Parts: sequence; C-alpha cells; structure tokens
Amino acid sequence: EPEVTQTPSHQVTQMGQEVILRCVPISNHLYFYWYRQILGQKVEFLVSFYNNEISEKSEIFDDQFSVERPDGSNFTLKIRSTKLEDSAMYFCASRVPRGSYNEQFFGPGTRLTVL
Amino acid sequence: DAKTTQPPSMDCAEGRAANLPCNHSTISGNEYVYWYRQIHSQGPQYIIHGLKNNETNEMASLIITEDRKSSTLILPHATLRDTAVYYCIAPPPTSNTGNQFYFGTGTSLTVIP
Repeated sequence: EPEVTQTPSHQVTQMGQEVILRCVPISNHLYFYWYRQILGQKVEFLVSFYNNEISEKSEIFDDQFSVERPDGSNFTLKIRSTKLEDSAMYFCASRVPRGSYNEQFFGPGTRLTVL
Repeated sequence: DAKTTQPPSMDCAEGRAANLPCNHSTISGNEYVYWYRQIHSQGPQYIIHGLKNNETNEMASLIITEDRKSSTLILPHATLRDTAVYYCIAPPPTSNTGNQFYFGTGTSLTVIP
C-alpha cells in the first residue's frame, strides 16, 4: 500500500541553524501539507501546497519557514534559523483531489529537537 | 471548519465495543466528518469518514445522527492496539483551496486488558 515517507526520523540541531525536513508524498497525490505537534499539544496546521505554490498558511508559518517541491517526488520544509520553540514533531500529509473526498495520508513524522 | 467537541478520555475493556462520541452541531450540509487516530507520536491515521449515511469499513463504523449534529465512531471489538487519541474533524468542503485539517484535542481511548 502506498504511503507517505519522511526523512530524517529525528533531527537534532543547534539554535540558529537551518534545517530541511523531507517528505515523499504518495505519487499520484496533488495536495501537500505540513503539520507540527509540540510535545503534549495538538496537531497544528502549518501550510498547504498545490500546483507548485502555497495554497494557505497558518500564523505559525512565518518568514522563517519555506516549502518547496524541488522535483516530482520530494516536498520539503525549510526552517531558516531554528528556535528552541521549533522543537516538535513535523508531519507531512498528502491527498489526491477527488470530488469531495478529502482523505489525507500522513507520514510518520520527523522529530526536530533544537538545542 | 465546523467546531467539534469530544470527551477528553475514555476507557474500554478489551474485546468490547468502543463508542466514541463527537458533537459537531455547527456542521454545514456539505461538510464531511472525518475520524483519525494517533498512536503515541506517530502520524495521524485515517479511520473513516461520512456525510449523512452510516459508514462501515474494516476498521470501524461511523454512525451519524439524522440532523448531522453528532456522530459516533464504533470500534466493534477493541484491542490493546486501539489505545490512541481519536480525532473527529469536520473540514470545509473541498471547494476551498487548501482543505487543511484543524485538529482538536481528541479523545484519549485506553483499552484495558
């Protein structure tokens, strides 16, 4: 069964460093998402991406964040200068547009630890 | 998104049916109800979704009231592996641009041996 994959599973970085989190969505999916979950808190929406551009973004997704689909398979989230409060699980999700069907498939997540 | 309300926690005996309620009284006529679950810190896992009619798949059943203001997810024979946080979500219809999900705090289900 096709699945969303994410790498790395765990990333440790120093405050102020840039990190890139990678996702490979399911191949025929066209909508892509990043969510994050700070330990013990809710899953929060960051950004949605369709047709090579951002569709919507939350208040969390400030100018320190960017997303890119550099080729036909990868979908990346970049944090330019990490802060302690960026420590969280980051989940990528994707879906195929099919009428009103909106099932999103989530990846296993990347645990980001900022020291 | 329609606001959803779920009890924060529930227990269920192993082998019994787990019935997880969700209130979505502000749901509009074309908003689906989706159920996901999250085991530990894994990625949310899709369970089932529905609009008006009751739905069943290999994982669960979804009962939606006639007025669509509430629904119940039923795990017919709960196992220890069903211990997870269960989320009820009612996103806007897919005519909107992103159709992202807004997760609440969900129901933490503990299946007891």
